Amino acid sequence: SQKIEQNSEALNIQEGKTATLTCNYTNYSPAYLQWYRQDPGRGPVFLLLIRENEKEKRKERLKVTFDTTLKQSLFHITASQPADSATYLCALGSGQAGTALIFGKGTTLSVSS
Amino acid sequence: NAGVMQNPRHLVRRRGQEARLRCSPMKGHSHVYWYRQLPEEGLKFMVYLQKENIIDESGMPKERFSAEFPKEGPSILRIQQVVRGDSAAYFCASSPLPLAGGRSSSYEQYFGPGTRLTVT
Repeated sequence: SQKIEQNSEALNIQEGKTATLTCNYTNYSPAYLQWYRQDPGRGPVFLLLIRENEKEKRKERLKVTFDTTLKQSLFHITASQPADSATYLCALGSGQAGTALIFGKGTTLSVSS
Repeated sequence: NAGVMQNPRHLVRRRGQEARLRCSPMKGHSHVYWYRQLPEEGLKFMVYLQKENIIDESGMPKERFSAEFPKEGPSILRIQQVVRGDSAAYFCASSPLPLAGGRSSSYEQYFGPGTRLTVT
């Protein structure tokens, strides 16, 4: 069955450092991969989408890579800030418009000042 | 432009009662998805609807759960005869009508704040 694993449940880093979160998947060939941020008690918020034919995407301090051979995506937050503390979710999509996403359990990032 | 609206935000039901969760998608969005998030679990897909049609309900339990998205009004997720195991956060997401050519924006889903259901 399809499986998504996010590297660890929790990641603690110091302010200013780069946070790197990992998303691995098996038994699936996604057309694209998305990253979401979820704060406690709130719904997920879309951050970035990367397609299967793209290697890297950037948005401000965020960078996502997508390696379909390794079946892995890396999500980087550079110059991290305490405000970046949240749970980050990886989600896979089939590419058929309107189809549901498959989510990982998420990694909770804590950035200390 | 208002985001996805869900109500109620919190709902408490006794075992055996019915729960009705409502979702109003973003303006112009005709695709609605319902997800369930159990404590310490990831978001699990339940059902995907377009106006007046259920497109994919493969993630929905066969009994007690139903969903609709009428021509007018919000999408409703209905849980009959709730049990303690139904306690979870239920999220609704919407996306715009897919555009020809598969622009990436067609695949973004915008989530509501969720309804937290507690069954006592």
